[in-house]
Amino acid sequence: EVQLVESGGGLVQPGRSLRLSCAASGFTFDDYAMHWVRQAPGKGLEWVSGISWNSGSIGYADSVKGRFTISRDNAKNSLYLQMNSLRAEDTALYYCAKDMSSWLGGGWFDPWGQGTLVTVSS
Amino acid sequence: EIVLTQSPGTLSLSPGERATLSCRASQSVSSSYLAWYQQKPGQAPRLLIYGASSRATGIPDRFSGSGSGTDFTLTISRLEPEDFAVYYCQQYGSSSWTFGQGTKVEIK
Repeated sequence: EVQLVESGGGLVQPGRSLRLSCAASGFTFDDYAMHWVRQAPGKGLEWVSGISWNSGSIGYADSVKGRFTISRDNAKNSLYLQMNSLRAEDTALYYCAKDMSSWLGGGWFDPWGQGTLVTVSS
Repeated sequence: EIVLTQSPGTLSLSPGERATLSCRASQSVSSSYLAWYQQKPGQAPRLLIYGASSRATGIPDRFSGSGSGTDFTLTISRLEPEDFAVYYCQQYGSSSWTFGQGTKVEIK
């Protein structure tokens, strides 16, 4: 069974940093691109960042570009999101999602993890 | 950035009725890059439809997708109690993915 388990969320002050992790199992991790998608409380879905199977292609939403860094460790079947200079508007549930393709470019997301909550507040 | 606009915002229907959800793009989208997701309260989104009209694994055939260009539709032929949820469309374009704001299908 494919499983994605996010961790690392919590309460953090504005301007500080946080690192999210996503542990993958049940599939060949390095065959697929991966993504982070977030959902602010009571709001819709927003794609945050994606990374190809070999980290050769990476993309970010404009709202996080220059502040967030996505990475992966295929040996550890893990995906990461380093979040710096956090703002109140970054408060959201952050989901890890598996792409249906190896590369970034048109794939859809299946499945998704259960998410980890990030709250940015003083 | 391509903007997806879903309508209606809320659809109030009874079990057994047909649901028709719309997703309109601000510019043409490749059908290959259009997907639909279902999200129930407290749960992660689940892939329903990809490539505009292909059902994901395990999705009942009462769910169907159609459309092309800027207009796409998700149809639920006969609503089951477990279908009451929020539905999102998603597209890929210009090296990024965007989602519609969602349509909530609620019990009338």
